Amino acid sequence: AQSVAQPEDQVNVAEGNPLTVKCTYSVSGNPYLFWYVQYPNRGLQFLLKYITGDNLVKGSYGFEAEFNKSQTSFHLKKPSALVSDSALYFCAVRDPRPDAGNMLTFGGGTRLMVKP
Amino acid sequence: AAGVIQSPRHLIKEKRETATLKCYPIPRHDTVYWYQQGPGQDPQFLISFYEKMQSDKGSIPDRFSAQQFSDYHSELNMSSLELGDSALYFCASSLSGRAWYEQYFGPGTRLTVT
Repeated sequence: AQSVAQPEDQVNVAEGNPLTVKCTYSVSGNPYLFWYVQYPNRGLQFLLKYITGDNLVKGSYGFEAEFNKSQTSFHLKKPSALVSDSALYFCAVRDPRPDAGNMLTFGGGTRLMVKP
Repeated sequence: AAGVIQSPRHLIKEKRETATLKCYPIPRHDTVYWYQQGPGQDPQFLISFYEKMQSDKGSIPDRFSAQQFSDYHSELNMSSLELGDSALYFCASSLSGRAWYEQYFGPGTRLTVT
């Protein structure tokens, strides 16, 4: 079965500083990995995905993520945080095998707080 | 750009009542997914449909049922509601059921069972 772990419930960073939100996964074979952001009382917004190819994936709003197969990680990063980046971030995985189902399995979420 | 539409946005029901949640996918998206997000929880997959056929089933209670119609909209029917069913219910859609296509989520329906 596939699973995702986000080891930090909350990440605090000062505006202008780089940020990292951690994600590790467990899945058989090569995973499909996604990051979503959720603002209060809103749905999840897609940020970026890794399917294959370059390990560094660039997404929306200046976010990027690095796929590391040996560490089974897919950490979300941004060079310079904005106060408006404060939100709840979810990492998600899909098992690409045909019999594994199409559902996303989410991590527990990490609340990012960017302070001015 | 058009997004996933969910209705109603808020719903208050009493225990043992029934509820119907509706989802209208992004135009040309033929796959719909339902997720349940409890307070302080991550979204949990309930069920999905591809081309009007159920494609996957997750942790959906037997009291719940869902279907996808010919115009690709989907409805989640919930009966004998329990207090524990209070949650945010998301619908997501994607272009085809293939695993590498990202899912686009609607704003959710907040169900409160009293």
